[in-house]
Amino acid sequence: DTEVTQTPKHLVMGMTNKKSLKCEQHMGHRAMYWYKQKAKKPPELMFVYSYEKLSINESVPSRFSPECPNSSLLNLHLHALQPEDSALYLCASSQGGGDTEAFFGQGTRLTVV
Amino acid sequence: GENVEQHPSTLSVQEGDSAVIKCTYSDSASNYFPWYKQELGKGPQLIIDIRSNVGEKKDQRIAVTLNKTAKHFSLHITETQPEDSAVYFCAASNPEQAGTALIFGKGTTLSVSS
Repeated sequence: DTEVTQTPKHLVMGMTNKKSLKCEQHMGHRAMYWYKQKAKKPPELMFVYSYEKLSINESVPSRFSPECPNSSLLNLHLHALQPEDSALYLCASSQGGGDTEAFFGQGTRLTVV
Repeated sequence: GENVEQHPSTLSVQEGDSAVIKCTYSDSASNYFPWYKQELGKGPQLIIDIRSNVGEKKDQRIAVTLNKTAKHFSLHITETQPEDSAVYFCAASNPEQAGTALIFGKGTTLSVSS
């Protein structure tokens, strides 16, 4: 099973709402990632969790709050977002080393209104 | 930090032709170079990768070559088919950094017409 599952697939939220994106993998991977992808652009790294600890935070605004409850789950909590935060949010996982395959989920298409 | 340049940004070929996409990277410590295919509305899918101890790798119609001295790597697709139409991203990472992540090129939109 090489699947990374993201929910929901689509999300529309107002600027005052609080919502969460969820990601799950059962490949025994020890590294999990959040990427943001705008239309016609490459994925842009937001956060990296390695062995359930946050190892990289690419200067992401605090309105995005990641959480890694266990080695299989990764959440992204959203609060007070702006319309420019509308994008495809991708979760990925890998064995943990920088030279191992990273598998991506299908993404959550987020629209902030 | 690492910077990955990818060319061309768009590529149109006839079915059966070959397609070549090229990338260069800046960090000589980068050691892992995957290629992803992204179809509309989907997440990126790994199609082939290469590590710096290998110069070339092939998987059916897809091949990747790496020149570490020049810091560039290329994706070659032979006998293209309409279903190869997608956005292709190259990426690089430095395995020496724990919890490191991929740095992507800007992508190439490949269109294969029948």
